[in-house]
Amino acid sequence: EVHLVESGGGLVKPGGSLRLSCAASGFTFINYSMNWVRQAPGKGLEWVSSISTGSSYIYYADSVKGRFTISRDNARASLYLQMSGLRAEDTAVYYCARSDGGFDYWGQGTLVTVSS
Amino acid sequence: EIVLTQSPGTLSLSPGERATLSCRASQSVSSSYLAWYQQKPGQAPRLLIYGASSRATGIPDRFSGSGSGTDFTLTISRLEPEDFAVYFCQQYGSSPRTFGQGTKLEIK
Repeated sequence: EVHLVESGGGLVKPGGSLRLSCAASGFTFINYSMNWVRQAPGKGLEWVSSISTGSSYIYYADSVKGRFTISRDNARASLYLQMSGLRAEDTAVYYCARSDGGFDYWGQGTLVTVSS
Repeated sequence: EIVLTQSPGTLSLSPGERATLSCRASQSVSSSYLAWYQQKPGQAPRLLIYGASSRATGIPDRFSGSGSGTDFTLTISRLEPEDFAVYFCQQYGSSPRTFGQGTKLEIK
């Protein structure tokens, strides 16, 4: 069974940094592109970033470009999101999701709160 | 960037009725790379439809997707109590992989 488990969320001050992790299991991680999607409280879904299987292709939303870095470790079946220069508007639940004809599996999410 | 506009914002229907949700794109979605998701409170989204019309694994056949180019539709043929939720469309054919703003399907 496919499982995606995010971790690393928490409370951080504006301008601070945080690193999110997503541990994958139940499938061959190296065969799938992966994504981060966020959802601010009471709002809709916002795609954040995507990374291809071998990390050759990486894409970011304009809202996070230059501040966030996506990466993966295929040996550890893990996905990461390094976030810096955090702003109040980055407050959201962050989900990792697998790409396969849309985003077919999602984690339960980890909450990031940016506040002083 | 492809902007997806969903309508209506809220749809009020009764169990057993038919639901029709719309998703309109600001430009053509390549290769019909259009997906639909269902999200219930406190839960992660669940993939319902991909490729505009293909049902994801385990999705009941009362859910169907149609459309191409810039106009797409999610139809729920006979609403069950568990279908009342928020529905999002998404295009994944180009970057950024944008989502629509969502349609809330509520019990009338």
